[in-house]
Amino acid sequence: KQEVTQIPAALSVPEGENLVLNCSFTDSAIYNLQWFRQDPGKGLTSLLLIQSSQREQTSGRLNASLDKSSGRSTLYIAASQPGDSATYLCAVRGRAGNMLTFGGGTRLMVKP
Amino acid sequence: NAGVTQTPKFQVLKTGQSMTLQCAQDMNHNSMYWYRQDPGMGLRLIYYSASEGTTDKGEVPNGYNVSRLNKREFSLRLESAAPSQTSVYFCASSTGTGNTGELFFGEGSRLTVL
Repeated sequence: KQEVTQIPAALSVPEGENLVLNCSFTDSAIYNLQWFRQDPGKGLTSLLLIQSSQREQTSGRLNASLDKSSGRSTLYIAASQPGDSATYLCAVRGRAGNMLTFGGGTRLMVKP
Repeated sequence: NAGVTQTPKFQVLKTGQSMTLQCAQDMNHNSMYWYRQDPGMGLRLIYYSASEGTTDKGEVPNGYNVSRLNKREFSLRLESAAPSQTSVYFCASSTGTGNTGELFFGEGSRLTVL
């Protein structure tokens, strides 16, 4: 059974810092990996989708990488802003059962 | 652009009551999903529909039923609500499963069962 882990569970940084969020998964037989953002009381917003054949995806200040063989993905946020404060979740779509498995999330706070 | 729309946004039920959560998407997606999100448990898949006319169980299907009414709509029914079903429910859709499966979520439905 696929397991997805996100470390750290919570992170607090001053504004302007570059930061890295980590996601690890146990079964490397995946279709893709997706990063989401969730604001309190809201739904999930898709940030980046990386297909299994890709190494990274970029959108603005966000860059996500995928190392399938080691079962890891990182989300890099450049020049963090208070508006980046949210919970970030990664989710892996495995080839076995074709289901999306979510990590527990990293709760990020960026202080002004 | 509405995306994925869920109704109701909030609901309070008594144990044993029934209700249906409605979900509609306007992105012409083939696949639709129902998840629940609980503190400390993360997001767990209840049911999904890979395409119109098909539904399959996810990780936690007990106590729920679903109907894929048409390509746009996917409803989740609680026949006899229990306090353990207190949760936030999210509907999602994607162009397909497999490597086309970028997910888009609704805003959530917050259900409390007393």
